[in-house]
Amino acid sequence: DVKVTQSSRYLVKRTGEKVFLECVQDMDHENMFWYRQDPGLGLRLIYFSYDVKMKEKGDIPEGYSVSREKKERFSLILESASTNQTSMYLCASRDSNTEAFFGQGTRLTVV
Amino acid sequence: AQSVTQLGSHVSVSEGALVLLRCNYSSSVPPYLFWYVQYPNQGLQLLLKYTTGATLVKGINGFEAEFKKSETSFHLTKPSAHMSDAAEYFCAVSEALAGAGSYQLTFGKGTKLSVIP
Repeated sequence: DVKVTQSSRYLVKRTGEKVFLECVQDMDHENMFWYRQDPGLGLRLIYFSYDVKMKEKGDIPEGYSVSREKKERFSLILESASTNQTSMYLCASRDSNTEAFFGQGTRLTVV
Repeated sequence: AQSVTQLGSHVSVSEGALVLLRCNYSSSVPPYLFWYVQYPNQGLQLLLKYTTGATLVKGINGFEAEFKKSETSFHLTKPSAHMSDAAEYFCAVSEALAGAGSYQLTFGKGTKLSVIP
């Protein structure tokens, strides 16, 4: 079974903190994604990566950055967390045009 | 650019009744289409997918969907709802990104299904 593992299920951080969300996949997929999910807005793409050290902005990249130093790991970084970044964050991976596999999600609260 | 529209953010059905969740898409090329299900505080799980070939596709838990190119639709159905079907459902379309060597996966806003006993 494909596994996409997000490092935390729940996180509480303070405004202004630097926050790292980690995601690891075990299926050697080329493509990895970070989405943000908010009620009524569905899933919105923050960043994606189609190769090591490659990244592309999605629909809502402001306030976020990413890192992909190894093929299996894709990190989302909130440089200075703000309350409007309180959300559910979902990591996914896929191989070319196949289905995406998702992690369990990280529910981040910024206070 | 591709987009996905799910009609109805919330659908309620009685247990045993037909489930119909609507999805329309726009895409400049023949798309690959997906339905995902999300249970509370979980990630998304694939229900079914259409790539090429037969336009009626069957998925897990008794769900199926039909790709209708002329209507740009990919509606999800299940003949008889069960209490365990209560969840949020997302339709998604995949399209190649020109020049990037990758594929964009775009989601609809989701439909929350409630099943009434």
